[in-house]
Amino acid sequence: QVQLVESGGGVVQPGGSLRLSCAASGFTFSTYDMHWVRQAPGKGLEGVACIRSQGNIIYYADSVQGRFTISRDNSKKTLYLQMNSLRAEDMAVYYCAKEDKTHAFDVWGQGTMVTVSS
Amino acid sequence: DIQMTQSPSSLSASVGDRVTITCRASQSISSYLNWYQQKPGKAPEVLIYAASSLQSGVPSRFSGSGSGTDFTLTISSLQPEDFATYYCQQTYSALLTFGGGTKVEIK
Repeated sequence: QVQLVESGGGVVQPGGSLRLSCAASGFTFSTYDMHWVRQAPGKGLEGVACIRSQGNIIYYADSVQGRFTISRDNSKKTLYLQMNSLRAEDMAVYYCAKEDKTHAFDVWGQGTMVTVSS
Repeated sequence: DIQMTQSPSSLSASVGDRVTITCRASQSISSYLNWYQQKPGKAPEVLIYAASSLQSGVPSRFSGSGSGTDFTLTISSLQPEDFATYYCQQTYSALLTFGGGTKVEIK
């Protein structure tokens, strides 16, 4: 069964850090580009970061550049998002997503909530 | 960055109606355009990829068209399970960006 399962969300104070994980199963993780997408409460979808299959090419949204780091461990079939210097505007549900060879996000995780509050 | 603009932001329709949602890119993206459906509390699901290709398992009442900067998602006969929010997404540039969404509500 093809699946992505996120973990690591929670409540953090402004300026704090959090590390999200996304465990993949049911497909050859190392051959697919992976993404983090977030959705603030009541808002639309925002692409946060992308990492190519071998981890050698990475892109970030301007809104998180310099604060967030995407990485992957293909041996563990796991995607990560290290989030530092968190702000109120980073509060959102964070999804990991698999980019298919058609360039569509064909598999999504269930999402993990990140709350930034003092 | 490529900006994606959807219209309308919301619409009310009845079961059986034909519904059309448009998406405009700030620059030409050829056919690098996907459509997603999202229901409350759930992750999005892909409906259409490459502007007009139907994702496996998606009902044929959904269709997509367009190229360049202007794209359309059409639902030929709205069903009760289609009330949801729809997003377009460009896949032309590296960081794939989404439109603002169109919420389809029951009239």
